[in-house]
Amino acid sequence: AQTVTQSQPEMSVQEAETVTLSCTYDTSESDYYLFWYKQPPSRQMILVIRQEAYKQQNATENRFSVNFQKAAKSFSLKISDSQLGDAAMYFCAYRENSGGSNYKLTFGKGTLLTVNP
Amino acid sequence: GAGVSQSPSNKVTEKGKDVELRCDPISGHTALYWYRQSLGQGLEFLIYFQGNSAPDKSGLPSDRFSAERTGGSVSTLTIQRTQQEDSAVYLCASSLGPLEPQHFGDGTRLSIL
Repeated sequence: AQTVTQSQPEMSVQEAETVTLSCTYDTSESDYYLFWYKQPPSRQMILVIRQEAYKQQNATENRFSVNFQKAAKSFSLKISDSQLGDAAMYFCAYRENSGGSNYKLTFGKGTLLTVNP
Repeated sequence: GAGVSQSPSNKVTEKGKDVELRCDPISGHTALYWYRQSLGQGLEFLIYFQGNSAPDKSGLPSDRFSAERTGGSVSTLTIQRTQQEDSAVYLCASSLGPLEPQHFGDGTRLSIL
């Protein structure tokens, strides 16, 4: 079964600095998607960024970028120029791109990010 | 347009009571998902609906849990004879299709006394 591990329960960063959140996963599949979701206190899960496994180029979305290491099964999120509004719980998630259960998202346990002014 | 809407936002009930949680997906989204988020945990898949196909109920933790989706739109998650371990945030998501990004609602926080 696929598993997603976030080894950092909590992280903190100073405003305007850069922070990296770690995620590793375990799968025997070669075709899959990886995601980072942000969950602020409002509880709504917001998609931050996603990466297709067969794409070697790391995805970027404004201040958010990923470091995808397929062989190492690592998918870290880098937040540059951190802002107070970035404070939230961040979840790494995995989804197969083929097969009978390709709609299921498997989530890690999350990393709580605090941004200090 | 409107996002995924869930009601109630919060629900407090006594152990042994039945509860119904409602999810109104984004219009036109054929796929609908329920997840459970227990304290300090990630999201746990519960059930998936896609169009008129039979739902995938493989994530439901016990036969006290059931869900239906009427008319391919609104979904209701029902928990019978609630237990304290059912306390969690229940999140609903919808997507245009199974491979499209999932859009989440704000969840229902369920507290069992």
